[in-house]
Amino acid sequence: GAGVSQSPSNKVTEKGKDVELRCDPISGHTALYWYRQSLGQGLEFLIYFQGNSAPDKSGLPSDRFSAERTGGSVSTLTIQRTQQEDSAVYLCASSLALRRPRSTDTQYFGPGTRLTVL
Amino acid sequence: TQLLEQSPQFLSIQEGENLTVYCNSSSVFSSLQWYRQEPGEGPVLLVTVVTGGEVKKLKRLTFQFGDARKDSSLHITAAQPGDTGLYLCAGGGDSWGKLQFGAGTQVVVTP
Repeated sequence: GAGVSQSPSNKVTEKGKDVELRCDPISGHTALYWYRQSLGQGLEFLIYFQGNSAPDKSGLPSDRFSAERTGGSVSTLTIQRTQQEDSAVYLCASSLALRRPRSTDTQYFGPGTRLTVL
Repeated sequence: TQLLEQSPQFLSIQEGENLTVYCNSSSVFSSLQWYRQEPGEGPVLLVTVVTGGEVKKLKRLTFQFGDARKDSSLHITAAQPGDTGLYLCAGGGDSWGKLQFGAGTQVVVTP
């Protein structure tokens, strides 16, 4: 079956440019998460969507980062005026949360987008 | 600052040997998950433990959650090259599905 897909798989951009990263979650999954993984670091939570509820943006590192989820499915993470410290792998995950997501839910991860800011 | 500290950071062993990876925190978690991540892929869930003192076995992998729910360990018996990967632990609280990840342990098993 189809898993979580992300595009592009690799993105090289110049400092100061805007980038958009896309995530297609597993069909029917109501919860969607964005994480960032820097070299030698674990996954850093960025933002979370659950159904039609307001997203939890508490992990976004600055106002240059934003994300939206259209129609409860596809999500786009946008980074404006990219900086070299934004270079990382950006991972998206989804889970089937029938009501309120729990930490014991299984999160299914996509392969990630490797972002390099020159 | 990592709430979850994993050790060692890197482990290289020969096929057939045993290994243990540790995940420690000063915080109490309601659940603890272990993931394995291979190059170019996202993490894949191996196990979830929720009860202090719980031990779960998955073939050659044994997972333990500390009595105080602050630490966990992953033990692999008779490691195989297919066990090579980055092992990540992630702690969950009582809130929604938010997880705190450790930095990971890179395991390399050579034939």
